Amino acid sequence: QVQLVQSGAAVEKPGASVKVSCEASGYTFNIYYVHWVRQAPGHGLEWMGMFDPSYRTTAYAPKFQGRLTVTGDMSATTVYMELSGLTSEDTAVYYCSRDIFGGDPENYRYNGLDVWGQGTAVTVSS
Amino acid sequence: EVVLTQSPATLSLSAGERATLSCRASQSVGTYLAWYQQKPGQVPRLLINDASRRATGIPARFSGSGSGTGFTLTISSLQPEDSATYFCQWRSHWPPMSSFGRGTKLEI
Repeated sequence: QVQLVQSGAAVEKPGASVKVSCEASGYTFNIYYVHWVRQAPGHGLEWMGMFDPSYRTTAYAPKFQGRLTVTGDMSATTVYMELSGLTSEDTAVYYCSRDIFGGDPENYRYNGLDVWGQGTAVTVSS
Repeated sequence: EVVLTQSPATLSLSAGERATLSCRASQSVGTYLAWYQQKPGQVPRLLINDASRRATGIPARFSGSGSGTGFTLTISSLQPEDSATYFCQWRSHWPPMSSFGRGTKLEI
């Protein structure tokens, strides 16, 4: 079945970096974008960035530019999210998810983030 | 960057009533908007894509409408299990970008 499986929980010290993996299976990996979304305790969803496996390109939310690196391993159908310069405000659950645009280029339809990973809890604490 | 504003922040209704949730975009996003439901401790679940299309397996009581800058998620005849927080999300095809609204917490 279609699934995204993330790496386990992490505890990091302030100033350190964290790297979370997201392994995709059950679908054609290179036709879906893979996104990273986080959710701090008691807060809403925050879009961080994305990876396009077809062109191996990335896009980041302005807030995370310079601190976030998203990469992909095509042979392992895995996308990685690395966040550096961690502070307590980065304590959150981090999700990966996939999406695609359907239809013709003249009339694209947005299919939404239809499959999500299970989430990875990252705690930043000294 | 497109900012999505959801209202109300909290909505309290009774079972069987209709819920109307709003999502306004700071600039036109066409129909590249989706709605998600999230219950405490759970992963978000896609309800509506492309502003008005129900995702696979979503009950017919959920419907989406709108385009441009104004969008609505309607839940007709609320069920107790509809208690959750609902988020809208915008997506740009090019340049690739996305963002979420702050959410509406629905209490039944």
